[in-house]
Order: sequence, then C-alpha cells, then structure tokens
Amino acid sequence: GNSVTQMEGPVTLSEEAFLTINCTYTATGYPSLFWYVQYPGEGLQLLLKATKADDKGSNKGFEATYRKETTSFHLEKGSVQVSDSAVYFCALSESQGGSEKLVFGKGTKLTVNP
Amino acid sequence: DGGITQSPKYLFRKEGQNVTLSCEQNLNHDAMYWYRQDPGQGLRLIYYSQIVNDFQKGDIAEGYSVSREKKESFPLTVTSAQKNPTAFYLCASRDPWRGNQPQHFGDGTRLSIL
Repeated sequence: GNSVTQMEGPVTLSEEAFLTINCTYTATGYPSLFWYVQYPGEGLQLLLKATKADDKGSNKGFEATYRKETTSFHLEKGSVQVSDSAVYFCALSESQGGSEKLVFGKGTKLTVNP
Repeated sequence: DGGITQSPKYLFRKEGQNVTLSCEQNLNHDAMYWYRQDPGQGLRLIYYSQIVNDFQKGDIAEGYSVSREKKESFPLTVTSAQKNPTAFYLCASRDPWRGNQPQHFGDGTRLSIL
C-alpha cells in the first residue's frame, strides 16, 4: 500500500537557522502531496500542497517541491522563527473506489530556540 | 467564519462506558473523516463518509462506530470494545467534488480513561 516516511525528530534549531524536514513516499499513480502543521493542543492546518510532479508548494516562507524521480517532498525554510515550533506532517492522497483518503507520515517535532 | 467544531475538548471515560465525540462543520463539505492520533504514530483513519447516510471503515475501525444522518454532522462513538481508547481524536472534512482539495481539521478531542 501507499506510505509516507518522514525524518524522525525531534529537530531543534536556533532562530534564523535553515530548516529541512525530509519526506519520501511510496505510491501507485500520481498522488497529491501535502504538508500539515500542528501547534500544541490544536488540530492540523494545511501548510502547503503540490498536485503534480515538479510543482512547488509554498506558504509562510516554507517550500516543498514534488520530485517524482526521487519520490520526495522535502520541506524547507530559509530562516526559522520561534513561532514555527510545531509538529509537521507530510501526507499523500490516495483514491480508492471513488473516495480520497490521506496517508500520513509519523510527524516531525520542531523546536526553535531564541 | 466556516470551520469544523469538535466537542468537548477533553473527555473522560470510565471503564465499560460508551462515549460520543461530536464533530460539526459549516463548510458545506460532503466528505468527513475521523482520525486517531497517538504519540509518535501520526494519524490513523478510523472511519470516513463521502456523503450523507454512507460511511466506510478506515484502517482502525474496531471498537468505534459512526453515523452520518446530516451533512454537517459526523459523530464518533468510542465503545467499550475499544480496549485502548486514550488518544487525541481529530475530525476533518473535504469537498470531494472539486479536484485536489485538502482536508480541513477541527481542533480535536482528547479522550482519557478514568
């Protein structure tokens, strides 16, 4: 079946450092790819998405490019802030019998120190 | 503002009790989902519904039940058959009729056993 593998955390950075969170996937067909962010005690918020190969999703300084040849969707940010501290989930969409479901990675916890 | 409301935020269950978690959305979405989140395991799909009066089992449906009598509501019952119900439960919705739409999440209900 389809699966998503994220780099294990936790990740701890200083403010203004460069961030990369790796995400690779296994899927049949051409799924859409997503990054969601979860702040403490809250639900998930969509951070960015890409729907086809070579698409780049971007939002709030975060970027990720859909790489079909390496089956990857790595999340990057050039300069992190304390407010970026959260858990980040990579996910792909899969369609079964007309229904679409999300398959999630296990999440990567990011802590940014001032 | 449109969104998804989950209630209560915290819920306690005694051994042998059934409890029902509420999920209401005013986004006019046909598809709704229930996920369970455990530390370090990401999100796992419990049940989903593509349309009113229809729902399907997800990956971990045992010990749970749902109903979908109204478009805006998708309550989840955690039955006494669920032996390890302590978790964070997240509800989501999506418009399945427009391409590549993301799922929107509520803020979750944390269920604990007394």
